[in-house]
Amino acid sequence: GQSLEQPSEVTAVEGAIVQINCTYQTSGFYGLSWYQQHDGGAPTFLSYNALDGLEETGRFSSFLSRSDSYGYLLLQELQMKDSASYFCAVRGGSYIPTFGRGTSLIVHP
Amino acid sequence: DAEITQSPRHKITETGRQVTLACHQTWNHNNMFWYRQDLGHGLRLIHYSYGVQDTNKGEVSDGYSVSRSNTEDLPLTLESAASSQTSVYFCASSEGQYNSPLHFGNGTRLTVT
Repeated sequence: GQSLEQPSEVTAVEGAIVQINCTYQTSGFYGLSWYQQHDGGAPTFLSYNALDGLEETGRFSSFLSRSDSYGYLLLQELQMKDSASYFCAVRGGSYIPTFGRGTSLIVHP
Repeated sequence: DAEITQSPRHKITETGRQVTLACHQTWNHNNMFWYRQDLGHGLRLIHYSYGVQDTNKGEVSDGYSVSRSNTEDLPLTLESAASSQTSVYFCASSEGQYNSPLHFGNGTRLTVT
């Protein structure tokens, strides 16, 4: 089976940098993705890592270490609109996308 | 623009009734998924399909069924609704099986009374 662990909640202030960690266990690995979900909305894709290293997309970056079964999402220059839930997801055996339980990010002014 | 549409957005039904939630995508994606979202559990996979006539059970498939008669649609049926199936249901599609992002519909909030 597949399982993912991520913190349930993270708080930060506007303008700061925050890191959301994700560890996973999976049979077969086809990449780690991150999704953002605002209250009442649908999850939307943020980033994808298949190989080790850092991927940067604007204020958001995502990192993967396959040897450690670990990744993180880094959000810089936090804005109030970044308050949302963030989910890591892996594609494992049978290419099934499995999601973590989500991290609620609260940004304070 | 291509999109994925779920209907209805909200549904209230009684225990024991059969309910069908619709999912329609115009991305022409072969891969489609149904998830349920509950507080503290994140997104859990119910059923998925990798093409027409292909359906597979996910982590929480008991009490649910799907059918895939064309590329665009993957309806989710609750055979006999139970209060434990009160949840928000999301349909998603993706172009490929390896690294393609999931495109989600806006969800259906189902309440079983």
